[in-house]
Amino acid sequence: DGGITQSPKYLFRKEGQNVTLSCEQNLNHDAMYWYRQDPGQGLRLIYYSQIVNDFQKGDIAEGYSVSREKKESFPLTVTSAQKNPTAFYLCASSGISAYNEQFFGPGTRLTVL
Amino acid sequence: QQPVQSPQAVILREGEDAVINCSSSKALYSVHWYRQKHGEAPVFLMILLKGGEQKGHDKISASFNEKKQQSSLYLTASQLSYSGTYFCGTGLTNAGNNRKLIWGLGTSLAVNP
Repeated sequence: DGGITQSPKYLFRKEGQNVTLSCEQNLNHDAMYWYRQDPGQGLRLIYYSQIVNDFQKGDIAEGYSVSREKKESFPLTVTSAQKNPTAFYLCASSGISAYNEQFFGPGTRLTVL
Repeated sequence: QQPVQSPQAVILREGEDAVINCSSSKALYSVHWYRQKHGEAPVFLMILLKGGEQKGHDKISASFNEKKQQSSLYLTASQLSYSGTYFCGTGLTNAGNNRKLIWGLGTSLAVNP
């Protein structure tokens, strides 16, 4: 079955540590996205990529980094520079037509202690 | 730039109808609608494009008024499974190198027996 996976579902880290969230898709989608979701805030775009080896900052990229070395993978690193990293992180992918919906992974809930 | 959704919350009895609105201050090319249940990934409902094309589930209907920069999602004969938070995501351009969406803050819908 085609889909998008994120791991782990829950992640706990100590303050000051970098952490990498995994996102993999086998839908052959060119575009991939990382969102952060906080209560009452909706979906806020962190980074997105429309092609391998290229990515663009979203609205809240500070303290985060990404890579897109393979079409199917778009890992997100939450660095120690991110001041309030505790949140629910969602990865999504889509085709590049305006008619293509975004498919979301199950999310990773990160808690920084 | 963020679209405004209204109402913020609505409570229905099973079988009742509801309308959720999404309004933008910018000219829109596309509007996406998704539903998210607590702790889960958003699920695609509808895409509406400038010019009238749309794609979505049979039991969901929506409209897109390009001149008013507004979209409405119509939920008829609501079922318990309709409960969740509804998000609209707006696309400002048909440019192939910019498929990012700007999301509203969501409308919380609760359907009671």
